[in-house]
Amino acid sequence: DARVTQTPRHKVTEMGQEVTMRCQPILGHNTVFWYRQTMMQGLELLAYFRNRAPLDDSGMPKDRFSAEMPDATLATLKIQPSEPRDSAVYFCASGYRDSQLGEQFFGPGTRLTVL
Amino acid sequence: SQQGEEDPQALSIQEGENATMNCSYKTSINNLQWYRQNSGRGLVHLILIRSNEREKHSGRLRVTLDTSKKSSSLLITASRAADTASYFCATDAWANFGNEKLTFGTGTRLTIIP
Repeated sequence: DARVTQTPRHKVTEMGQEVTMRCQPILGHNTVFWYRQTMMQGLELLAYFRNRAPLDDSGMPKDRFSAEMPDATLATLKIQPSEPRDSAVYFCASGYRDSQLGEQFFGPGTRLTVL
Repeated sequence: SQQGEEDPQALSIQEGENATMNCSYKTSINNLQWYRQNSGRGLVHLILIRSNEREKHSGRLRVTLDTSKKSSSLLITASRAADTASYFCATDAWANFGNEKLTFGTGTRLTIIP
């Protein structure tokens, strides 16, 4: 049963600390997305990769957020330093694009609380 | 700005009734997708309709797409308590071929009253 996994599921940290979230996409998928969901802003696309190459990270605050795919089985989203306004649920999703972008498979999310 | 906007924002109906949600978008698309999100969970893909399709069915779901009006609707027939969730439309914008990304709407919160 292939699924996207994310760790940690919950993270509470203090302002200024570094936060690293990890995602294992579904094997064979060539596109990986990072989203952030809050009550106020809804679901926002932060960054996405195709074949491990970053295609668009315009949704991320560049000064504090970074996203990488060190290999095909791992995507990371890092916040340094974290701020209370970063509190949100962060979702990773993967999918496969051939002629068009198809359905995306979402992980369970990382609920981040920055105090 | 949001590519997709769902309407209504919230909907409560009795179990067994049909639920209809609408989505409007702004630019030309390759396809439109609907997702469901249960509270505290990730989104789950429901159905994808391509820009050259007008209607699609999957079980109790019926999706229509009107590209001339840039709108779509999701109909859930014979609703069940388990259908209680938020429903999102997502559009795959055509503007940057090969570089498409899904843009999600604001969602409709559906509550089924037993």
